[in-house]
Amino acid sequence: AQSVTQLDSHVSVSEGTPVLLRCNYSSSYSPSLFWYVQHPNKGLQLLLKYTSAATLVKGINGFEAEFKKSETSFHLTKPSAHMSDAAEYFCVVRINTGNQFYFGTGTSLTVIP
Amino acid sequence: KAGVTQTPRYLIKTRGQQVTLSCSPISGHRSVSWYQQTPGQGLQFLFEYFSETQRNKGNFPGRFSGRQFSNSRSEMNVSTLELGDSALYLCASSSSPTVPTYEQYFGPGTRLTVT
Repeated sequence: AQSVTQLDSHVSVSEGTPVLLRCNYSSSYSPSLFWYVQHPNKGLQLLLKYTSAATLVKGINGFEAEFKKSETSFHLTKPSAHMSDAAEYFCVVRINTGNQFYFGTGTSLTVIP
Repeated sequence: KAGVTQTPRYLIKTRGQQVTLSCSPISGHRSVSWYQQTPGQGLQFLFEYFSETQRNKGNFPGRFSGRQFSNSRSEMNVSTLELGDSALYLCASSSSPTVPTYEQYFGPGTRLTVT
């Protein structure tokens, strides 16, 4: 069975401090992993993806994520939070033998000025 | 390249009515997926179409249906609307499920309110 767990439903950080959004996955097969961001009343925007190349993936807006197979994790980080980062973040897994995407329940990021 | 477009953006219907939502994928993309997003259930997969064929279907009642046209545009239909169908309906476009780096690009969504 495949699934993805976002460990925190809500994260608050101060502007200028690091961001860590945690994601664990379970998969019987080699996965592709994605992070998406959703601003209020908007669609989802792809931040970054891992597809079995480099384990450290750089995305847009200064975000990056590291694929750790031994820990089945794909945590999203950013060195310095900006007010515009306040949004909902979704971790997504796609199993490479199929084509269905499995979404986590989302982490709401609040950035405090 | 133009992104994924969804029409209409907002819709208000009453219980028992039916509704049709439309999605135009990114030019060249042949796969379209539909999702329902609600505060309580989060993002739930409805169905995926590729080359006019439904490839996957989520766990939704038969009131939810979809189709894809030869130009890859897709529609989803919900019949006999219920209050619980109020949600943001998101469409996602992809190149092809056989491409290893297959990823989805989302439209802005259609906000459906059922009264």
